[in-house]
Amino acid sequence: AAGVIQSPRHLIKEKRETATLKCYPIPRHDTVYWYQQGPGQDPQFLISFYEKMQSDKGSIPDRFSAQQFSDYHSELNMSSLELGDSALYFCASSLGPDRMNTEAFFGQGTRLTVV
Amino acid sequence: DAKTTQPNSMESNEEEPVHLPCNHSTISGTDYIHWYRQLPSQGPEYVIHGLTSNVNNRMASLAIAEDRKSSTLILHRATLRDAAVYYCILRDVLNDYKLSFGAGTTVTVRA
Repeated sequence: AAGVIQSPRHLIKEKRETATLKCYPIPRHDTVYWYQQGPGQDPQFLISFYEKMQSDKGSIPDRFSAQQFSDYHSELNMSSLELGDSALYFCASSLGPDRMNTEAFFGQGTRLTVV
Repeated sequence: DAKTTQPNSMESNEEEPVHLPCNHSTISGTDYIHWYRQLPSQGPEYVIHGLTSNVNNRMASLAIAEDRKSSTLILHRATLRDAAVYYCILRDVLNDYKLSFGAGTTVTVRA
């Protein structure tokens, strides 16, 4: 079965550069979530989209922005990168929260290293 | 957000059952109880969820207290592949567009 696809899997950037992470949800899933997980930490919710509109926002820095496109894929744009942005970034998708089957499926993550 | 409390860690022997408790005393009537787990170097993985009644699936069972202020995830026969961090999460499925991970329980399985 198709899973959530994230690209790239690994990314190395220098401080103050920009990075774009992509997420392709499971077909027919209309909700996408982004998480950041630092070393030894629990996943922290960043932002979510439902039907291409931002649906909730967590601890996402102002330097980060995201959107969901008409084909439901999503991109997380990160500017003015800092060393502390080095982390695993996970994307997840699900059906909208008004459905009973609201389990979320996670991708394998993008490991971002800022040097 | 309604909060959950879990033990930091638990150990089990292979082939034995594992009971993972979760306290959620401020749960609301529309909160579902979800469990996810995260194996090393992987994204979180859905395990099970329920509202009021006990639930079973191929991975685990979920026992929910009658007052819904606590629940227990049961792994019937732990294997080495069950070693992971297990997260208990409350989610209002009508209004909740996020899945908030708190501090989970690290399960270690001894061979």
